[in-house]
Amino acid sequence: ETGVTQTPRHLVMGMTNKKSLKCEQHLGHNAMYWYKQSAKKPLELMFVYSLEERVENNSVPSRFSPECPNSSHLFLHLHTLQPEDSALYLCASSLDSSGNTIYFGEGSWLTVV
Amino acid sequence: AQSVAQPEDQVNVAEGNPLTVKCTYSVSGNPYLFWYVQYPNRGLQFLLKYITGDNLVKGSYGFEAEFNKSQTSFHLKKPSALVSDSALYFCAVRDLLGGSYIPTFGRGTSLIVHP
Repeated sequence: ETGVTQTPRHLVMGMTNKKSLKCEQHLGHNAMYWYKQSAKKPLELMFVYSLEERVENNSVPSRFSPECPNSSHLFLHLHTLQPEDSALYLCASSLDSSGNTIYFGEGSWLTVV
Repeated sequence: AQSVAQPEDQVNVAEGNPLTVKCTYSVSGNPYLFWYVQYPNRGLQFLLKYITGDNLVKGSYGFEAEFNKSQTSFHLKKPSALVSDSALYFCAVRDLLGGSYIPTFGRGTSLIVHP
C-alpha cells in the first residue's frame, strides 16, 4: 500500500468510448502526476499538477484530458483513443514539485480495441 | 536537460551472488538521483535516493547505491541476490521542467535472479 490508489486497475474500451481513470492519494501531497508506460518504451511523463494547477503538459494528444479538482484527486479523461494508446497508466504524487521522492500507484492497465 | 542512462536492458545473476545494476547520469550542477523498482503488474516503488552527503546510500530490501562523481555513476548494488529481487529497476534524476522539478527516468533494467 503506497498511499496512492488508482481505479480501475484494468479497463478495456472501444475507440469511440469515453472513460476516465481515477487517482486518489492519502499522503497529504501537493503534486500529482500521470505517466504512461508502454512496452519497450521509457516512462513518459504526461501531466503534472502542483497545488491543483497544471504545471507541465508534455505534448500529450488532446484525446487525453486531465482534471485535478483538489490536491488529493486526479483524473485522466479518455475519449476517441487509438489502439496504440493501450498501456499502463501510472499516477504518482509527491510532497511538492521541488524534486522530492514521488510515490506511485499500482497503475491502470488500459486496452483500446 | 538532465538525463540518466541504464546501459543494460537485462542483468542475470545467480541467487546468493552479488548484483549490480548500472546507471550513469548527465547533469548540470548537483544531481538528485533515485532508484525505483517495479515488480510484475505493479507500480514503481521507491528504493533509495542520493541528494548530498555520504556517497554510499542504503535503501529498502537490502539495496544500496554508490554515488561516484568522477565516473558520473550511481550503480545499484546488493551483496546477496534473492529470487524475489527479480523485477524491473529504474534509475531517475531530478530535472527542471516548466518551473517544476520532475524525475526523469531511465529505460529500466530487467533483473533476473536464477535459483
